[in-house]
Amino acid sequence: ETGVTQTPRHLVMGMTNKKSLKCEQHLGHNAMYWYKQSAKKPLELMFVYNFKEQTENNSVPSRFSPECPNSSHLFLHLHTLQPEDSALYLCASSQLGTGDQPQHFGDGTRLSIL
Amino acid sequence: DQQVKQNSPSLSVQEGRISILNCDYTNSMFDYFLWYKKYPAEGPTFLISISSIKDKNEDGRFTVFLNKSAKHLSLHIVPSQPGDSAVYFCAAREGSGSARQLTFGSGTQLTVLP
Repeated sequence: ETGVTQTPRHLVMGMTNKKSLKCEQHLGHNAMYWYKQSAKKPLELMFVYNFKEQTENNSVPSRFSPECPNSSHLFLHLHTLQPEDSALYLCASSQLGTGDQPQHFGDGTRLSIL
Repeated sequence: DQQVKQNSPSLSVQEGRISILNCDYTNSMFDYFLWYKKYPAEGPTFLISISSIKDKNEDGRFTVFLNKSAKHLSLHIVPSQPGDSAVYFCAAREGSGSARQLTFGSGTQLTVLP
């Protein structure tokens, strides 16, 4: 499925680096999400944007900073990460306000912190 | 404490037979349930969903059953095919909340043997 595109697919960075993850959705949805999936754990919701406004921040450390410039693009800015932040980061989008609609996911960015 | 649990981390089934994946939840406010399938190196792909006002939803080889009194959800795949081998996640959504957050289980690895 190419409706939600994430770049890069893989990222290796040191703890002092600054990098950004990018997500773009081509589905015309009005909500976008960042999830984290660590090994052997369920997907954890990090942030939710509804019509470009952040509506949820699930106690995520400030070293993760989201940005949603419009309803099609979502970024996750990374700064001074820790080794335990190594995980798969997934972006999703959905259409709100039209009944029960599923979230559609990108293929994720595999992040490794050295 | 996990609100959505998939107690079987793995399941092996012979090709042509039925696969039954199970999911239990604790939050009685969940009103919409979904199943996602995930192949390695790809994001989760939406498979099938069910609203809490129904007890069964069918789509081709896939059927989802909901037992609200038992707070139990199951996915039946029949007949199972080798291409169905993947990790299956169940997810649940609570009716309240501006962006309808999903809570995920930890997944079940299904292997369909030829």
